[in-house]
Amino acid sequence: GENVEQHPSTLSVQEGDSAVIKCTYSDSASNYFPWYKQELGKRPQLIIDIRSNVGEKKDQRIAVTLNKTAKHFSLHITETQPEDSAVYFCAAPDTGTASKLTFGTGTRLQVTL
Amino acid sequence: NAGVTQTPKFQVLKTGQSMTLQCAQDMNHNSMYWYRQDPGMGLRLIYYSASEGTTDKGEVPNGYNVSRLNKREFSLRLESAAPSQTSVYFCASSELGIWANEKLFFGSGTQLSVL
Repeated sequence: GENVEQHPSTLSVQEGDSAVIKCTYSDSASNYFPWYKQELGKRPQLIIDIRSNVGEKKDQRIAVTLNKTAKHFSLHITETQPEDSAVYFCAAPDTGTASKLTFGTGTRLQVTL
Repeated sequence: NAGVTQTPKFQVLKTGQSMTLQCAQDMNHNSMYWYRQDPGMGLRLIYYSASEGTTDKGEVPNGYNVSRLNKREFSLRLESAAPSQTSVYFCASSELGIWANEKLFFGSGTQLSVL
């Protein structure tokens, strides 16, 4: 099955700085890579995703890059704001009998003033 | 639209008790999922239902059973609760189906403690 590793587990940045979270995956057939944000006490929500036919995708201050050769993808948040403080999860599909998502263990991002 | 609705929000059980977590979605989605979330371990798939009438095991199915009652509802049952099942449980749904690799819509979660 798919193995997704996520680093770092915690990340503290000052407001206005950039944050980068990295994930690696093992299933070379995986073709979909979403990122979810979970604020404290809330449900996870999709913030951005990328499919394997593109190398980068941007949505305002967030971007995701994908390197299929190296089997890793990253979330980039620029000009961080206090409301970016949350736990971020990457995921990749296990393309076995059914395309089920396997999640990384999460990164707790703290944006300090 | 309410989206994905889970009940209850909180539950405390004693070891050996049973309970059912309820989940319903009003978005006419085909696939539904149950995840558990534990500190430092991310979200792990317990069971999923690719479409109405089908269910299948995920990564951590032991100690759980599920029922896809109809297209809207997908319940998770703990037959004999154990302290290791203390966790936050999330139900989720997706529109097209398990192979589509698309956005998951999560419920608000159930915080379960087993004493």
